[in-house]
Amino acid sequence: AQTVTQSQPEMSVQEAETVTLSCTYDTSENNYYLFWYKQPPSRQMILVIRQEAYKQQNATENRFSVNFQKAAKSFSLKISDSQLGDTAMYFCAFMWLKTEDKIIFGKGTRLHILP
Amino acid sequence: ETGVTQSPTHLIKTRGQQVTLRCSSQSGHNTVSWYQQALGQGPQFIFQYYREEENGRGNFPPRFSGLQFPNYSSELNVNALELDDSALYLCASSPKGQGAATEAFFGQGTRLTVV
Repeated sequence: AQTVTQSQPEMSVQEAETVTLSCTYDTSENNYYLFWYKQPPSRQMILVIRQEAYKQQNATENRFSVNFQKAAKSFSLKISDSQLGDTAMYFCAFMWLKTEDKIIFGKGTRLHILP
Repeated sequence: ETGVTQSPTHLIKTRGQQVTLRCSSQSGHNTVSWYQQALGQGPQFIFQYYREEENGRGNFPPRFSGLQFPNYSSELNVNALELDDSALYLCASSPKGQGAATEAFFGQGTRLTVV
C-alpha cells in the first residue's frame, strides 16, 4: 500500500524567506505522480505543483520548486520569497498513474508566514 | 469555465440520520472523486465515479454510497450517520484518461457535523 508521510506538523517563517517542507512516500510502483496541494482557510484544495515520477528534472512553478529524490522516495517543496498569502496547510500527495483513481494525501504541514 | 461547486457548505445532522451531499463538476470533466477530511488530517479517498459508474473505492463501509448523473454531477450519500462521520467532505472533478486525472480540481467542501 502506498503511504505519504509529512514529518513537520507546523512551521513558521518570516515573510520573504525561503522555506522547505518535507515529504517521504512509500510505494512499490514505478509510474506515479506526486503533488503538493495548498489548503487555505477557504478550505479549497489548490494544486501547487506536480511531478511525474519518470521525469528526473525537478518541477518548478514560479516561487515553488521541488526536490524529487526517487531512490530515496523523498519529495520536498521549496517556497522562495515567501508571501503572507502562502499561509495555509500544505499536503503532499501521491497518485498511481495506472488507475488514475485515488490521490493519497499526507497529514499536512501547517505553514505560517509571519510579517 | 465554471469551477467545482459543492452544496451545502455546512450541515448539522443527528446520529442515525441520512445525508446527501452534492457536487457539480467543472465544465468538460467527466470524473468525480469524493474525499473525507477529518479535522487535522489529510483527505481520505472515498470513491470515484466515471461515466455514472463507481470506478474505485477506498476503505469506507457500504453506508457510504454515491451517484453520478449524465451531466457528470454527483451525490454522496451517507446512511446511519455516526459521530465519526463529522468531517469536511471534498469533491474533485477531472477529465479521465492519459494522466488527465492529475488535473483534478477541488470544490470548497461540505462541513458535516454529526451530533
